[in-house]
Amino acid sequence: SQQGEEDPQALSIQEGENATMNCSYKTSINNLQWYRQNSGRGLVHLILIRSNEREKHSGRLRVTLDTSKKSSSLLITASRAADTASYFCATASLNFGNEKLTFGTGTRLTIIP
Amino acid sequence: DVKVTQSSRYLVKRTGEKVFLECVQDMDHENMFWYRQDPGLGLRLIYFSYDVKMKEKGDIPEGYSVSREKKERFSLILESASTNQTSMYLCASSWEYRINQPQHFGDGTRLSIL
Repeated sequence: SQQGEEDPQALSIQEGENATMNCSYKTSINNLQWYRQNSGRGLVHLILIRSNEREKHSGRLRVTLDTSKKSSSLLITASRAADTASYFCATASLNFGNEKLTFGTGTRLTIIP
Repeated sequence: DVKVTQSSRYLVKRTGEKVFLECVQDMDHENMFWYRQDPGLGLRLIYFSYDVKMKEKGDIPEGYSVSREKKERFSLILESASTNQTSMYLCASSWEYRINQPQHFGDGTRLSIL
């Protein structure tokens, strides 16, 4: 069953602008992860935020998590053409001591040079 | 760096054929996963394995089986391929019993069933 829902489904911005993507989920989680997928390739892990964290940074990425609203956002600052990709959130839940990920449907980000 | 290798990037098979998709990881990870990815549906978990010879059904196991004879290799089997199994298949791996860690993905196999 689908856990995460990304919003918007597609986003086009000019190079240099900031891009914000949102993710909502339904049940309690251990952590929430964001992945990037370039066209025709596999997923690359970007950042992980634990359920007891509210904000995390990694380079030009900023992730927030609001467990009371069951939502997260991914901000990419000063976007570049190379950021063009699909972005997925994934919620992690524990399954007999191991984490199982449930992915959303993704946001397709296009950076216009 | 973790490397997850899927044997084929593109594969074309016929309806009714038995199809094998292979995945190998080089990081000694205990956990391995098979997902399929379809437009508008995101990634859906087919099967996963926490150890050699162990397997667990994911969300959409119907029409699939898996094999884990060696720790580094996880195979997805389509017993009798059907056109609705045309999809992108992604393999991933991770450490066992460690929380708050990412999964590492291969580049995917785009499978077409004619």
